[in-house]
Amino acid sequence: GAVVSQHPSRVICKSGTSVKIECRSLDFQATTMFWYRQFPKQSLMLMATSNEGSKATYEQGVEKDKFLINHASLTLSTLTVTSAHPEDSSFYICSAPESVQETQYFGPGTRLLVL
Amino acid sequence: SQKIEQNSEALNIQEGKTATLTCNYTNYSPAYLQWYRQDPGRGPVFLLLIRENEKEKRKERLKVTFDTTLKQSLFHITASQPADSATYLCALLSGGYNKLIFGAGTRLAVHP
Repeated sequence: GAVVSQHPSRVICKSGTSVKIECRSLDFQATTMFWYRQFPKQSLMLMATSNEGSKATYEQGVEKDKFLINHASLTLSTLTVTSAHPEDSSFYICSAPESVQETQYFGPGTRLLVL
Repeated sequence: SQKIEQNSEALNIQEGKTATLTCNYTNYSPAYLQWYRQDPGRGPVFLLLIRENEKEKRKERLKVTFDTTLKQSLFHITASQPADSATYLCALLSGGYNKLIFGAGTRLAVHP
């Protein structure tokens, strides 16, 4: 099946710094990718829809200036957490839809810890 | 507002038994519903998709039902094994193309 990768898998940063997370579709093209956040023992919460060649669409309550999304190519979307704070510590997961079967392929996730 | 509920936070069963997980939704009229498996510290993995005009779908030891009148889906794992232990998530299409909304998940533990 299709593969989606994320990098890094784990990152620890100091409060106030910015962190960039990459999401790549390895063997297919994705004009749309999705970014989710998951807190411990909670479900995935959709943050935003990343659109290749255009602006991302953010869910209600998600600050677009804090979570910058860039979909530079058909295989790469990046999420930058700007001026990270401890409350941004979470598990960030991206996904890309498989157009024929209407399912989604998820990346392995990135664990962010902000000290 | 739209809501998805998976009624058991955790489910413990004996190996060999059938596990049944429930997903209920309100204020949705989804064209299809999906089930995913998530292991700790990993991204979800797609298992099954069932459409609104399908009552039941099977894949190996997995069976999913979809009742649009009750607004409910049941997910069954027959002859359960310890390797089936994971969190199972149901998801519905919401709004835009391929935009999925997830339930909170049910953590299944299969004991030898």
